[in-house]
Amino acid sequence: DAKTTQPTSMDCAEGRAANLPCNHSTISGNEYVYWYRQIHSQGPQYIIHGLKNNETNEMASLIITEDRKSSTLILPHATLRDTAVYYCIVQGGSEKLVFGKGTKLTVNP
Amino acid sequence: DAGITQSPRHKVTETGTPVTLRCHQTENHRYMYWYRQDPGHGLRLIHYSYGVKDTDKGEVSDGYSVSRSKTEDFLLTLESATSSQTSVYFCAISTGSNKNTGELFFGEGSRLTVL
Repeated sequence: DAKTTQPTSMDCAEGRAANLPCNHSTISGNEYVYWYRQIHSQGPQYIIHGLKNNETNEMASLIITEDRKSSTLILPHATLRDTAVYYCIVQGGSEKLVFGKGTKLTVNP
Repeated sequence: DAGITQSPRHKVTETGTPVTLRCHQTENHRYMYWYRQDPGHGLRLIHYSYGVKDTDKGEVSDGYSVSRSKTEDFLLTLESATSSQTSVYFCAISTGSNKNTGELFFGEGSRLTVL
């Protein structure tokens, strides 16, 4: 079973920041938070991951709360091509990734 | 890109026939995975491999077998295909370290239809 809870769907205006929340209240100390997205009919795409510090790369930023029980993926300037299903996953060590149902993000013009 | 190729990309077959899907990587990554994706179920892990001849079951392994005789190839076999195995199959490799394998790179998928 997925260890995370995400909203089923969200909308965002093009050019605005998209903030996707994720709850992972049972996360263990050695578990990372991973974010993936899947654009229609394509394979999932890795976005970013973190342990306890905030992380940023060319795609997105990941904000993890101090107690690590929740996180937010931020797409700073959403475009129509960011419309996808976004998956938040908790995983530690060599465990397998378990994908939940994710959040369907729709970026509107 | 991690250099991962799935073949065939599309296949239509009949119930009871054997089917083999191939996943090929051009790099030397240790961990490889097979997932299936169906409407209403999302992505589910079938089998994975953590080295040559080292494989293990995922959450939906019944009806599937795998083999990894060399690092670059991970084969998924349906010994006798059933209509319930109609799905899109994704292969993935882990590009992270051995201690943290969550950074996966996925192939483009193989769409299998069993009539």
